[in-house]
Amino acid sequence: DTGVSQNPRHKITKRGQNVTFRCDPISEHNRLYWYRQTLGQGPEFLTYFQNEAQLEKSRLLSDRFSAERPKGSFSTLEIQRTEQGDSAMYLCASSLVSGVGDIQYFGAGTRLSVL
Amino acid sequence: SQQGEEDPQALSIQEGENATMNCSYKTSINNLQWYRQNSGRGLVHLILIRSNEREKHSGRLRVTLDTSKKSSSLLITASRAADTASYFCATLVTSYGKLTFGQGTILTVHP
Repeated sequence: DTGVSQNPRHKITKRGQNVTFRCDPISEHNRLYWYRQTLGQGPEFLTYFQNEAQLEKSRLLSDRFSAERPKGSFSTLEIQRTEQGDSAMYLCASSLVSGVGDIQYFGAGTRLSVL
Repeated sequence: SQQGEEDPQALSIQEGENATMNCSYKTSINNLQWYRQNSGRGLVHLILIRSNEREKHSGRLRVTLDTSKKSSSLLITASRAADTASYFCATLVTSYGKLTFGQGTILTVHP
């Protein structure tokens, strides 16, 4: 069990560029979540998948954001035409739906800086 | 949007003292969880308390939940410098799904 892995750890980009982040969940975990966290705030939910199905998307997830989880394994989060307001830490978490409740295990995050 | 508020926003104590953080939320919940985040890192799950539970313990952690007041508290006893971190409460409206986080309490424990 290697934990949730996110890549890259840091991304610096210019406004208007597209960026893509990857998340590898804990193996056998069927749920995968994306959150965004800005400085001094708690994480805010963006979207989540159960296996390959995207079950919920936040209103925060504008049309410029898209997430996929092909084959129910790793997930990617793409931001098109980045804006300075997209600068944040993007956190991925995974969980296994079971009788004990939804404990989510987080990766170390990808910090995005849009210049 | 954030579910609720945590207080204090920042707490500074000496090693060996107890630390208490409070969390309020707005809607009915299935469970409430506490997470710790070291500077610039991911979150680590600490403890989960269900809506039908009033108190739960895990090592040096004690969590209480008052659903009538929509509030929870996290007590860390005999704090250590390694407890220095941000602490977040998070709620789940259903058994599974998105977590809604508070704004967090920054805890600093001085050796």
